[in-house]
Amino acid sequence: GENVEQHPSTLSVQEGDSAVIKCTYSDSASNYFPWYKQELGKRPQLIIDIRSNVGEKKDQRIAVTLNKTAKHFSLHITETQPEDSAVYFCAASGDYGQNFVFGPGTRLSVLP
Amino acid sequence: DAGVTQSPTHLIKTRGQHVTLRCSPISGHKSVSWYQQVLGQGPQFIFQYYEKEERGRGNFPDRFSARQFPNYSSELNVNALLLGDSALYLCASSLRSNTEAFFGQGTRLTVV
Repeated sequence: GENVEQHPSTLSVQEGDSAVIKCTYSDSASNYFPWYKQELGKRPQLIIDIRSNVGEKKDQRIAVTLNKTAKHFSLHITETQPEDSAVYFCAASGDYGQNFVFGPGTRLSVLP
Repeated sequence: DAGVTQSPTHLIKTRGQHVTLRCSPISGHKSVSWYQQVLGQGPQFIFQYYEKEERGRGNFPDRFSARQFPNYSSELNVNALLLGDSALYLCASSLRSNTEAFFGQGTRLTVV
């Protein structure tokens, strides 16, 4: 079955700097890759997603890149703000898009 | 838009008991999935239902079961509770089987 790895497990950046979180997946049939942000005690919130027919997607300060050949995808956050502090999860799924396999998460801390 | 709603929000049960968790998807969403999130880890897929049919099942024992009703709401049932079942149980809904998924706030289950 699918296996998703995520690095780093923790990440501290200064406010205004960029943050990058990387994930790798094992199943070449996976074709949908969402990223979720989870604040302490709250629900995971979808922040951006990408499908396998696209190499890059951007939404304001957030971007995701996908390398299908290498089977890895990355989340890029620019101009980080303290409210970006949270745990970020990557996930992968196949045609039945809700059978997500999640990575273990990255705890991002943005220091003022 | 009321979002995905789950009930109850918190629950304490004794080992060996049975529990039923409930989920109401976003209006118009026909797909519902259930995830278990143990503290400090990413969510793990339990079940997916689409149009009242089971579309996927994760690696969980037969003590876990679920169903989806004609109004697309869903129940997750867990029998013979174990201490290790203590977790946040998340429900996610999406319009179709392989589109963006939105999570509810979860049910925090504690087994003592």
